[in-house]
Amino acid sequence: DQQVKQNSPSLSVQEGRISILNCDYTNSMFDYFLWYKKYPAEGPTFLISISSIKDKNEDGRFTVFLNKSAKHLSLHIVPSQPGDSAVYFCAFQGGSEKLVFGKGTKLTVNP
Amino acid sequence: GAGVSQSPSNKVTEKGKDVELRCDPISGHTALYWYRQSLGQGLEFLIYFQGNSAPDKSGLPSDRFSAERTGGSVSTLTIQRTQQEDSAVYLCASSPSAETQYFGPGTRLLVL
Repeated sequence: DQQVKQNSPSLSVQEGRISILNCDYTNSMFDYFLWYKKYPAEGPTFLISISSIKDKNEDGRFTVFLNKSAKHLSLHIVPSQPGDSAVYFCAFQGGSEKLVFGKGTKLTVNP
Repeated sequence: GAGVSQSPSNKVTEKGKDVELRCDPISGHTALYWYRQSLGQGLEFLIYFQGNSAPDKSGLPSDRFSAERTGGSVSTLTIQRTQQEDSAVYLCASSPSAETQYFGPGTRLLVL
């Protein structure tokens, strides 16, 4: 019973271009949505979040989009930089305190 | 310290032995969470503490797993009679509220 699907295990983009990371979910109880970034041998680092009352939240180069009707969450990074290369996890919260995570997408930004 | 700390950073143990993993949350954070990440998987919730009580233990995979938190601060996750499938990265997070969780670097556990 997979509540969250991050269907792309990897993504490769050129420096300066846009990176788009996607997640789909099935649980209608989710009301808070987050993106975490993880470098090797480190814990996940909070990146950006959005609540269910919004459809867009922007923070510098990072923008998160929420399409509630489609149950789809995305993260846009523009322009992408080599330092953005990491594994990105979407995470969902609703009805309880725990976060439900996707399996992650490994982003590689090529110089 | 400024962030969540965990110890040990790496642990290798033999099947059947008990292990204890420690988490020091960010000072003042009342909520504390344990997750684990197995190879190729996302983070899997284990247990949540609010203060010293654990309102949600639903993610603990078996009765070999237990956790406690004392003084509203340090938490210990104990795995008894370890099995090879327990090998994973065990991550602790703390939060001042019900939303953003801040993670430690994790403990990499390998059961031989």
